[in-house]
Amino acid sequence: AQSVTQPDIHITVSEGASLELRCNYSYGATPYLFWYVQSPGQGLQLLLKYFSGDTLVQGIKGFEAEFKRSQSSFNLRKPSVHWSDAAEYFCAAAGDSNYQLIWGAGTKLIIKP
Amino acid sequence: NAGVTQTPKFQVLKTGQSMTLQCAQDMNHNSMYWYRQDPGMGLRLIYYSASEGTTDKGEVPNGYNVSRLNKREFSLRLESAAPSQTSVYFCASSGRQGTNEQYFGPGTRLTVT
Repeated sequence: AQSVTQPDIHITVSEGASLELRCNYSYGATPYLFWYVQSPGQGLQLLLKYFSGDTLVQGIKGFEAEFKRSQSSFNLRKPSVHWSDAAEYFCAAAGDSNYQLIWGAGTKLIIKP
Repeated sequence: NAGVTQTPKFQVLKTGQSMTLQCAQDMNHNSMYWYRQDPGMGLRLIYYSASEGTTDKGEVPNGYNVSRLNKREFSLRLESAAPSQTSVYFCASSGRQGTNEQYFGPGTRLTVT
């Protein structure tokens, strides 16, 4: 069955440190891949997406993600986090044209001052 | 351009009461979705509408009904609310068939007592 796995429920990072959030997918072919961010009490905002082509994609707020076919991964990175990055991050995948996204369980990012 | 709007933002119901959550999008998107989000459960799809005039069940449809009123509007109805339906409800829309890139509303926080 198709699935998206975010292995880390919580991650704590010091302000100014680098960040990597993990996402693995299980699909027959290369899916379309997304990262969304949800700040407390807010809706989900699209951070970035991968459809094809360059495997390193840039998003909003200084985030980037790298698609690695050999590892079935689409990890989200940021070189230096800010306190405002504290939020929950969701990875999602699509590709079967059934109009649905398959969602990861989310990773809550905590920023230490 | 408001994107996806939802009303109301907050609602408290007593068990057995009914209500309709409203969602509208102004992006001319074909597909619309209703999700619920519960702590530790991630996002779960309730119903979706691939295009105007069609609706389909998602992962957790029991206790809900939907109406795709026109291309812009997609409502979710709880006929007889139960405490298990206490949740945050998100509406989303997608205009890119196949990729399922979705845009979310701000959510409705519903409490059933």
